[in-house]
Amino acid sequence: DAGVIQSPRHEVTEMGQEVTLRCKPISGHNSLFWYRQTMMRGLELLIYFNNNVPIDDSGMPEDRFSAKMPNASFSTLKIQPSEPRDSAVYFCASRTSPSGNTIYFGEGSWLTVV
Amino acid sequence: AQSVTQPDIHITVSEGASLELRCNYSYGATPYLFWYVQSPGQGLQLLLKYFSGDTLVQGIKGFEAEFKRSQSSFNLRKPSVHWSDAAEYFCAVCGGGGADGLTFGKGTHLIIQP
Repeated sequence: DAGVIQSPRHEVTEMGQEVTLRCKPISGHNSLFWYRQTMMRGLELLIYFNNNVPIDDSGMPEDRFSAKMPNASFSTLKIQPSEPRDSAVYFCASRTSPSGNTIYFGEGSWLTVV
Repeated sequence: AQSVTQPDIHITVSEGASLELRCNYSYGATPYLFWYVQSPGQGLQLLLKYFSGDTLVQGIKGFEAEFKRSQSSFNLRKPSVHWSDAAEYFCAVCGGGGADGLTFGKGTHLIIQP
């Protein structure tokens, strides 16, 4: 079975540009998570969805960040405008049901904002 | 709010020696606990998890972990490490009865000496 699929794997963009990261969760999974990983702050939960509905977005750093999940097989994380401090690895992850099961991670999108 | 502490940022172990990585958590109710491993440039792979029952859990790649409620700990162990075990190891807790996202520790970087 295919795992969590993220695109792009790597992106370099200029400050001020819009960045869109994409995620396809594992088929049949009902929960989807966006994490950010940096050296300074480690792994931070940005937002998560259950059945396509955002449940907790308290980790979204500021209004420049937005996430959507229009259907069960697709989610986006958008940064507009991007800043150098947004440079990080962004992971998407999914889980079979809201409660208690394993969360599976994608391989990450490596973002560099110059 | 839940939190996870991994007190060792780096650990160096000789190949063939035993390993113990420490993890302490803070959570008011019964925790759901996980250990993930991350190789350079890769996503996170689940090693093992604890939800309930036997406090000694077995995982992949010969790893095990023991849940000790009295010490709020979930330490990871392996009796004999291999060079391929060199990676970053993350302990995580899931609250909300397992329905929330994962809260990660800052990770422990494992170095294997020949």
